[in-house]
Amino acid sequence: ETGVTQTPRHLVMGMTNKKSLKCEQHLGHNAMYWYKQSAKKPLELMFVYSLEERVENNSVPSRFSPECPNSSHLFLHLHTLQPEDSALYLCASSQALAALGYEQYFGPGTRLTVT
Amino acid sequence: GESVGLHLPTLSVQEGDNSIINCAYSNSASDYFIWYKQESGKGPQFIIDIRSNMDKRQGQRVTVLLNKTVKHLSLQIAATQPGDSAVYFCAPRAVFISNFGNEKLTFGTGTRLTIIP
Repeated sequence: ETGVTQTPRHLVMGMTNKKSLKCEQHLGHNAMYWYKQSAKKPLELMFVYSLEERVENNSVPSRFSPECPNSSHLFLHLHTLQPEDSALYLCASSQALAALGYEQYFGPGTRLTVT
Repeated sequence: GESVGLHLPTLSVQEGDNSIINCAYSNSASDYFIWYKQESGKGPQFIIDIRSNMDKRQGQRVTVLLNKTVKHLSLQIAATQPGDSAVYFCAPRAVFISNFGNEKLTFGTGTRLTIIP
């Protein structure tokens, strides 16, 4: 198993709910990422944090709000989601930014269903 | 947006045979590529990478070939085993920084490799 954990593993929420996804990495990495993986669609990069600063916000709707309180933890706060937001949300970390050639380590993902 | 890592969706291979998974990309500026393996219920896992100044790289039971002229990569798995069943993605490094101007770079949908006993 990787050194990146995600909770919860499964989440069902209504469109009016507010929930948060949590990611924790135990690898001493400085960069963390959120990805969305929808059925039959490519993996999409959502947010990138380096040394707790957001360096990438990939045109993601404001109903998704990331938070990186320290280099080991990353959250994705969810509110007023739509059914099309149902997907697998993957967290990843790397020693430094993957754009510089550093390998990413992925967590197992949170399977989100919006009803 | 620009898509990268275009794959055939499925591939079935007899156990013990060699597997070849192909990937086409469209961003000619890509200089570094990674192959990932994603098993059911898990996140993607790094397999092997290759830089654009190479045309071949070998790992344990895996070989990646890069043809920059036609923007094509392949992942070869020798003596395929049941544990190789997964979805395989290729991704240029550029996909991780994304958002070049109006472009939104993404992984492909991957190839699902099924091993026939």
